[in-house]
Amino acid sequence: KAGVTQTPRYLIKTRGQQVTLSCSPISGHRSVSWYQQTPGQGLQFLFEYFSETQRNKGNFPGRFSGRQFSNSRSEMNVSTLELGDSALYLCASSLEGWGNEQFFGPGTRLTVL
Amino acid sequence: AQSVAQPEDQVNVAEGNPLTVKCTYSVSGNPYLFWYVQYPNRGLQFLLKYITGDNLVKGSYGFEAEFNKSQTSFHLKKPSALVSDSALYFCAVRDNSNSGYALNFGKGTSLLVTP
Repeated sequence: KAGVTQTPRYLIKTRGQQVTLSCSPISGHRSVSWYQQTPGQGLQFLFEYFSETQRNKGNFPGRFSGRQFSNSRSEMNVSTLELGDSALYLCASSLEGWGNEQFFGPGTRLTVL
Repeated sequence: AQSVAQPEDQVNVAEGNPLTVKCTYSVSGNPYLFWYVQYPNRGLQFLLKYITGDNLVKGSYGFEAEFNKSQTSFHLKKPSALVSDSALYFCAVRDNSNSGYALNFGKGTSLLVTP
């Protein structure tokens, strides 16, 4: 099976712009979660989608949003970019069930100038 | 609320020696515990998990972890470290009192194995 894929791998944007990141989960995985990784804050949960519905949300401002499509692919959008949004954005997918591990993609490295 | 703590920012060990990376957790419901490893400029790779059953869990690349309910700990161990084990290690917890499958990660522990 192909792993979790994320596009693009690298992005450079300027303050005030918006960005859309894409994630394709492993086939058959309906749960998709997004995380932000920074040196200072570590790994922070953004949101989780399951069957096109946002099931859980982390403590991020409304500038961060996401969606999931019927094929389980997911996108996240960040509007009005700030310097502090520079981070590695990781997408993870899993099968349904509390004990199932999440499989992570390689991440999208976003740099905001 | 659920949380994990990794008390050590960095662990240094000589190749061939045993290694331990520490993790403690706090959950409201039943804990589901995971260890992940991250190599530079890569995503996270799953190593092992504890759901229920035996307290000693074996995972990938010779790693194992011991679940201790009384001490609320889930330490990662390996009997003999390799230089290639040098990486960033994350402990994560999920508990079934929350909705969704999101993981709560520790801050990470950088493991350096020297030849």
